Amino acid sequence: EDQVTQSPEALRLQEGESSSLNCSYTVSGLRGLFWYRQDPGKGPEFLFTLYSAGEEKEKERLKATLTKKESFLHITAPKPEDSATYLCAVEIVGSARQLTFGSGTQLTVLP
Amino acid sequence: ETGVTQSPTHLIKTRGQQVTLRCSSQSGHNTVSWYQQALGQGPQFIFQYYREEENGRGNFPPRFSGLQFPNYSSELNVNALELDDSALYLCASSLTANTEAFFGQGTRLTVV
Repeated sequence: EDQVTQSPEALRLQEGESSSLNCSYTVSGLRGLFWYRQDPGKGPEFLFTLYSAGEEKEKERLKATLTKKESFLHITAPKPEDSATYLCAVEIVGSARQLTFGSGTQLTVLP
Repeated sequence: ETGVTQSPTHLIKTRGQQVTLRCSSQSGHNTVSWYQQALGQGPQFIFQYYREEENGRGNFPPRFSGLQFPNYSSELNVNALELDDSALYLCASSLTANTEAFFGQGTRLTVV
């Protein structure tokens, strides 16, 4: 069964304290891995797509990496406005953008 | 950027009733997917429409149905509402079935 697991469930950081979020996956065939950010009561906001092991993408304080079994979202020197739930999702080969999501990591950055 | 809009934003229904949720996709996007997100969980795929045809369905019962119109807007219909149907319903659109999906703000459905 295709499965996506995110850890930790919740993470509290001090402003400027860098850390990483983990997304491990077990799927029959990975077409792509997606990272989204979700603020309370709102829809997910697209961050990154990764397609192959070794690929990396960056946006401001965020960097996403991908291996054959997991992805990491690295947050460098976070600010309070980075507080949100970060969702990881996979697209299985042949599923045409039907995403399977993890449960998310709730990040709180304290000033 | 996202131009996906959903209506209504909030809705309260009674168990056993029927509900219709609406989604206007981003301009030019011909693929729409619907997701259900329970509190504290990630979104779960309900179904996808591509050029007015259903293009895949998740593990949801037949009382969850949908439509896509010629202008690529979409509806999600749920019959015989159950308490467990209470959730945030998300619509996502993409340029084709093979490009990134952008989400709307969701409709919060509460079944009492």
